[in-house]
Amino acid sequence: QVQLQESGPGLVKPSETLSLTCSVSGYSISYGYYWGWVRQPPGKGLEWIGAIYHSGSTYYNPSLKSRVTMSVDTSKNQFSLRLSSVTAADTAIYYCTRRGDGLFGYYFDHWGQGTLVTVSS
Amino acid sequence: SYVLTQPPSVSVAPGQTARITCGGNNIASKSVHWYQQKPGQAPVLVVYDDSDRPSGIPERFSGSNPGNTATLLISRVEAGDEADYYCQVWDSSSDHLGVFGTGTKVTVL
Repeated sequence: QVQLQESGPGLVKPSETLSLTCSVSGYSISYGYYWGWVRQPPGKGLEWIGAIYHSGSTYYNPSLKSRVTMSVDTSKNQFSLRLSSVTAADTAIYYCTRRGDGLFGYYFDHWGQGTLVTVSS
Repeated sequence: SYVLTQPPSVSVAPGQTARITCGGNNIASKSVHWYQQKPGQAPVLVVYDDSDRPSGIPERFSGSNPGNTATLLISRVEAGDEADYYCQVWDSSSDHLGVFGTGTKVTVL
């Protein structure tokens, strides 16, 4: 059974860099699929951040592209998110996800439990 | 960028059918997926590729995408179906990106 678990600081200061890691169990990310991140500000909707393949190929949300970097560590079966120059608007629950491949489109078939990151001084 | 619009809320009595719509430009040309999110929990995929259900999702959940609006139907609604529901597509027209709908709160009366 595929399981994802986010980890990282729950509090980040404004203008600094948010860093999160997702540990995957039950499936080797080297086998395939894109792995990525979705966030949800408190009381609001879902926002896709981006995704990465084990080769390092990435897709980023254009609205965040200038501040986002994703990386993958296949030896640890982990992937990571870095979001630079954060502001209070980046306060959200951050979920790591696996992107499933449908016949006609892509969806998110596995999710971590989510981790709340608050941006505050 | 591509926009998906959902009604903010839907109310339904137990045993009845909840209908949740998702509108977007030429949405019939895209594959629509649906998620259920209960308070304090991560979203769960309930329908993918317009109308398929993942393993473990009850048949009461069904989806369609025949025209200008995609729809998620929840038949024989139960109290446990009360949650937020989000539609989602993958927009490959320009930038390749995931797009979520605005979300619908389903309240069971």
